[in-house]
Amino acid sequence: DIQLTQSPSFLSASVGDRVTITCRASQGISSYLAWHQQKPGKAPKLLISAASTLQSGVPSRFSGSGSGTEFTLTISSLQPEDLATYYCQQLHSYPHTFGQGTKLEIK
Amino acid sequence: QVQLQESGPGLVKPSETLSLTCTVSGGSVTSYYWGWIRQPPGKGLQWIGYVYYSGSTSYSPSLKSRVTMSVDTSKNKFSLKLTSVSAADTAVYYCAGYDSSGYVHYWGQGTLVTVSS
Repeated sequence: DIQLTQSPSFLSASVGDRVTITCRASQGISSYLAWHQQKPGKAPKLLISAASTLQSGVPSRFSGSGSGTEFTLTISSLQPEDLATYYCQQLHSYPHTFGQGTKLEIK
Repeated sequence: QVQLQESGPGLVKPSETLSLTCTVSGGSVTSYYWGWIRQPPGKGLQWIGYVYYSGSTSYSPSLKSRVTMSVDTSKNKFSLKLTSVSAADTAVYYCAGYDSSGYVHYWGQGTLVTVSS
């Protein structure tokens, strides 16, 4: 299985901050990477596919980049409603594994 | 807009079979790939697998010997069966709708299944 390691696992930031979450794959996965947002008590939601394609309705402050083994999710200006846990997921090969998650707290 | 709703027992005894169904509304079960993802309490997400209406499947190797997924086109539903469950299978189970590349575009609200005697 391809392992995904997210860093940091926990992040505390203030409204307006620029936030970056990293996802590293144990082997190259091209651009077959998704980012999901899971708000407390809710189902996850797809934010970004193919490493950098923003899904319809997702605020433009979210962006994704990377290819191969290193990827980033960036929130350009953190908002209170971004309180959530963020997961990366690889779609390169089965099983489609997830990273362990990054819990984002608003200071 | 496609909506998914899980249904099934919230409590299953150890060694028995966990059975869940996901009802698809707002779209046809023949239009996407369908599958299940679970989340143990307080932990991360685990991909279980997918099924296509043609019968094509792919399961996580760690669960493959115990998992069966199927699609009922007449009822616009799909299902999950997980045999020989143990406490380690206690989790919120999400049904999901994937595109052909595997991206999860649709999530159910999730249903907690507890394995306990």
